Amino acid sequence: GAGVSQSPRYKVAKRGQDVALRCDPISGHVSLFWYQQALGQGPEFLTYFQNEAQLDKSGLPSDRFFAERPEGSVSTLKIQRTQQEDSAVYLCASSLWRYEQYFGPGTRLTVT
Amino acid sequence: AQSVTQPDIHITVSEGASLELRCNYSYGATPYLFWYVQSPGQGLQLLLKYFSGDTLVQGIKGFEAEFKRSQSSFNLRKPSVHWSDAAEYFCAVGARSGGYQKVTFGIGTKLQVIP
Repeated sequence: GAGVSQSPRYKVAKRGQDVALRCDPISGHVSLFWYQQALGQGPEFLTYFQNEAQLDKSGLPSDRFFAERPEGSVSTLKIQRTQQEDSAVYLCASSLWRYEQYFGPGTRLTVT
Repeated sequence: AQSVTQPDIHITVSEGASLELRCNYSYGATPYLFWYVQSPGQGLQLLLKYFSGDTLVQGIKGFEAEFKRSQSSFNLRKPSVHWSDAAEYFCAVGARSGGYQKVTFGIGTKLQVIP
């Protein structure tokens, strides 16, 4: 596609619910990243995929966060048993391996 | 580990005035440096990047940035600001990590443009 797309754009979840956030990277981009951006902060790295392999998940804040990219294209970030501190914008980015990253519009998650 | 400092959280400039947004980084080797812009409700758009070579980098929308190794800085400049430049600007440093770039962002500088 023309750019990175993410869905849904907005998600409201009650505390304790599970959510799934989807990212469609730019076609052909090997690398895919997830970031979490809290209000008033810069994006913070969550995890990195090279094709279908998750090579770095050092930024995932807890074991409630899980990401996958089974076919090396679309990726899903799943958050189980959501907590209020999970409220943030979740950004996905893709790149041609080690070059600059292109970002999607983000999913704004609000946990009530 | 790398880090980025953007000392100005909020800046207000008049339309037509010049702009300089400050960025200092910490990294042990030659870094990859970026400036991104984020409009409300939007993702991040790359303005410019420095990988190597000429230390004065030109970007989109009339922006430029200069890499100064001695000062560990990568300040963003624009000679004449337009009202549409009002947005949040993020400086970022990238480091090679296992064959990919791990990017660390600053906290951002919010730019307000007044007529």
